[in-house]
Amino acid sequence: GQQVMQIPQYQHVQEGEDFTTYCNSSTTLSNIQWYKQRPGGHPVFLIQLVKSGEVKKQKRLTFQFGEAKKNSSLHITATQTTDVGTYFCAGPLYGGSQGNLIFGKGTKLSVKP
Amino acid sequence: KAGVTQTPRYLIKTRGQQVTLSCSPISGHRSVSWYQQTPGQGLQFLFEYFSETQRNKGNFPGRFSGRQFSNSRSEMNVSTLELGDSALYLCASSLSFVGSGSETQYFGPGTRLLVL
Repeated sequence: GQQVMQIPQYQHVQEGEDFTTYCNSSTTLSNIQWYKQRPGGHPVFLIQLVKSGEVKKQKRLTFQFGEAKKNSSLHITATQTTDVGTYFCAGPLYGGSQGNLIFGKGTKLSVKP
Repeated sequence: KAGVTQTPRYLIKTRGQQVTLSCSPISGHRSVSWYQQTPGQGLQFLFEYFSETQRNKGNFPGRFSGRQFSNSRSEMNVSTLELGDSALYLCASSLSFVGSGSETQYFGPGTRLLVL
């Protein structure tokens, strides 16, 4: 079936190091969304990418959408302890006329001070 | 604007019982989706409601059901609870349905269900 795969599953970094998580879809996506879930919290929307090759930045976070609109990445420069959490990508995938928002399994980031 | 609210926040039930969870979306949001989150399976889509109609349903047994009211509030029901139903149940609201382009999900804090 249609899937959204995310790697790595876990990432441990030293504070100040960079971090990247990758998201791959089995089918072309109309858009991709990224969410962050802090430990004990709920997912919070970060950003949506719509256009092929789109790059968006939010301070130290850089989001990219691939040219084929089947993959995406989130890169954090110089991680801080406040970046700790699980990062999910999600894309709408369709069966017939109905759409599901399918989430990747997430990348859990831990940052050592 | 108030965020998505879910009640109750925590629930302990025993096998065979049933449970009803409630979700109030952000004002003006017409779509409500429900997800089950477990450590092993991540975020699993349960169903989506828009304008009181179920638009889509994930791969869950018929014991899981839901509904949406005219004010967009939604309830989810699980009957004949099993141990494996222990999870965090998240509700998310969006302006419109998945596929509309206005499907950004705004999550509530979740209901943590423990089945003993």
